[in-house]
Amino acid sequence: SAVISQKPSRDICQRGTSLTIQCQVDSQVTMMFWYRQQPGQSLTLIATANQGSEATYESGFVIDKFPISRPNLTFSTLTVSNMSPEDSSIYLCSVAGSGEEQYFGPGTRLTVT
Amino acid sequence: GDSVTQMEGPVTLSEEAFLTINCTYTATGYPSLFWYVQYPGEGLQLLLKATKADDKGSNKGFEATYRKETTSFHLEKGSVQVSDSAVYFCALSPQKTSYDKVIFGPGTSLSVIP
Repeated sequence: SAVISQKPSRDICQRGTSLTIQCQVDSQVTMMFWYRQQPGQSLTLIATANQGSEATYESGFVIDKFPISRPNLTFSTLTVSNMSPEDSSIYLCSVAGSGEEQYFGPGTRLTVT
Repeated sequence: GDSVTQMEGPVTLSEEAFLTINCTYTATGYPSLFWYVQYPGEGLQLLLKATKADDKGSNKGFEATYRKETTSFHLEKGSVQVSDSAVYFCALSPQKTSYDKVIFGPGTSLSVIP
């Protein structure tokens, strides 16, 4: 299984600002995924990021709000832009495993005040 | 569309009790099924998986059987421990590939008391 790290692990931000979350994998992977987990809720996929192409966003998520970069096969960033308290969530990145499963990072806990 | 339903929590059990967390799914075709666990303050960990009907996934004393006839994938453990306290997510992968999104159930919170 892949080892995934995320930075920062948590942050408290003011509304109207932006935060960039980093996801680093210890091996090269084709696809990376970004999920949001709102307080007490399940996970919702934000977008899928392939290296060398634009991210594919799920319904309800737009690039202007959640721009994603994927500069190489081991790294991706998700930016949460113009934040509001409704963006307070855990943001998780994941990567595809060798089988059908995905492996998740530890998450970034974001609080917007 | 594809979806996953789980029993509502929170579930509170005494140590060494038997655990069942019900999970049913709706999907076209033959998805792969998973249980993920999220310990307090941590990310998700894959607990077990099954990729075809009648497969049984097992890990750390937990097990679940892929029941196509009832579209279910219930999680069981014979004797829970305090360290099993966590949130458990049932999930499916519609295309039987890791290169597709995983659809998660709402999660079931489990608390095990000594």
